[in-house]
Amino acid sequence: ENVLTQSPGTLSLSPGERATLSCRASQPVGRNYLAWYQQKPGQAPRLLIFGASSRATGIPDRFSGSGSVTDFTLTISRLEPEDFAVYYCQQYGSWNTFGQGTKLEIK
Amino acid sequence: QVTLKESGPALVKPTQTLTLTCTFSGFSLTTTGMRVYWIRQPPGKALEWLARIDWDDDKFYNASLKTRLTISKDTSENQVVLTMTNMDPVDTGTYYCARNFDWFGLDAWGQGTLVTVSS
Repeated sequence: ENVLTQSPGTLSLSPGERATLSCRASQPVGRNYLAWYQQKPGQAPRLLIFGASSRATGIPDRFSGSGSVTDFTLTISRLEPEDFAVYYCQQYGSWNTFGQGTKLEIK
Repeated sequence: QVTLKESGPALVKPTQTLTLTCTFSGFSLTTTGMRVYWIRQPPGKALEWLARIDWDDDKFYNASLKTRLTISKDTSENQVVLTMTNMDPVDTGTYYCARNFDWFGLDAWGQGTLVTVSS
């Protein structure tokens, strides 16, 4: 099993600041099939990034993904009030696990 | 427009078998590269992948739950069914189905269905 470890567990920032979220895999992620999701309370997750760095349809360009092999990053360039939520990374394809999530909260 | 919707019992007793149905529209599970996932989320906890079925009927399971899970599809009805045996209170949570096409991630999710395991 390929374990995904997200850090930090909680990130406290203010609107307008830059957020950097990390996702580390215990084994290489095949073909960079790594996705990021945003989840707000009471809602299903929403796809933000697929293939490590491609934005999903309708996702603002302040969201960007980078990384390869075992180390991946989600960056939100300037936080908007609606960005405060929980973020998950997931590998799909050969493995299908999720990370444990990073909670992005308002400072 | 791609939609998915989960259905099944809201309450099951310990040791019972849970059967959930994902009914979808806007895509076909006969299309090469198409997959449907089941994912669950205990209250206040992280997402956990359960099972996946592919367009060619390949099936994949979370190793820790493999002995309890069965996934199947009915392409004529546009449905994917998940059964989980020997339910326990720790299996309480929201169960989601989601669509994946090729490398595009899980780009469409159902609203989720809350399942409570209690006697």
